[in-house]
Amino acid sequence: DTGVSQDPRHKITKRGQNVTFRCDPISEHNRLYWYRQTLGQGPEFLTYFQNEAQLEKSRLLSDRFSAERPKGSFSTLEIQRTEQGDSAMYLCASSPRRTQTYNEQFFGPGTRLTVL
Amino acid sequence: AQSVTQPDIHITVSEGASLELRCNYSYGATPYLFWYVQSPGQGLQLLLKYFSGDTLVQGIKGFEAEFKRSQSSFNLRKPSVHWSDAAEYFCAVGYGSGNTGKLIFGQGTTLQVKP
Repeated sequence: DTGVSQDPRHKITKRGQNVTFRCDPISEHNRLYWYRQTLGQGPEFLTYFQNEAQLEKSRLLSDRFSAERPKGSFSTLEIQRTEQGDSAMYLCASSPRRTQTYNEQFFGPGTRLTVL
Repeated sequence: AQSVTQPDIHITVSEGASLELRCNYSYGATPYLFWYVQSPGQGLQLLLKYFSGDTLVQGIKGFEAEFKRSQSSFNLRKPSVHWSDAAEYFCAVGYGSGNTGKLIFGQGTTLQVKP
């Protein structure tokens, strides 16, 4: 399967701990997005990478959050000093190099984070 | 600010009945519009998209949607619902040319299908 993959699928942690999630986009896609989805809500944009450059960050991305895409391939999202309000589904999406006005995003299955 | 509104949080229809899920958007430029479906514990699957041209677009699983610029709407329809259509449906607007391409989602509509 060559879709977007995310690891882990589920993470349970205690408040105050650090967690890291990984996203592997579709191999030829140079654009990568992170979204957060809380219960009963639609996904909300967190951040965007074009190749290895992080070009946009939402104000939702507090200083406890950091994302990287070191070689323009996989990406990691780290949350430091987790809080119960961080409990959510974290979704990754990728899209190909822009060849037309807009390119479709392909979503991974998500990582569900529960902070106790 | 750009936004997407799905007025119906929860809808219940009988199997075989028709379905319409509403979506209204607020966006200054030409919108790129999407409908996604999410089954429990799953990621988002694209049902259909509108970029330009014919305002009635066909998608997968027998879904269609109609773009109405005058009403700022992009409603999703299906003539006959199947039990397997029970899921959560999200309407989204994409930022296009010159932007990052990020999506703005509505809060979703949960579809329940009665046998």
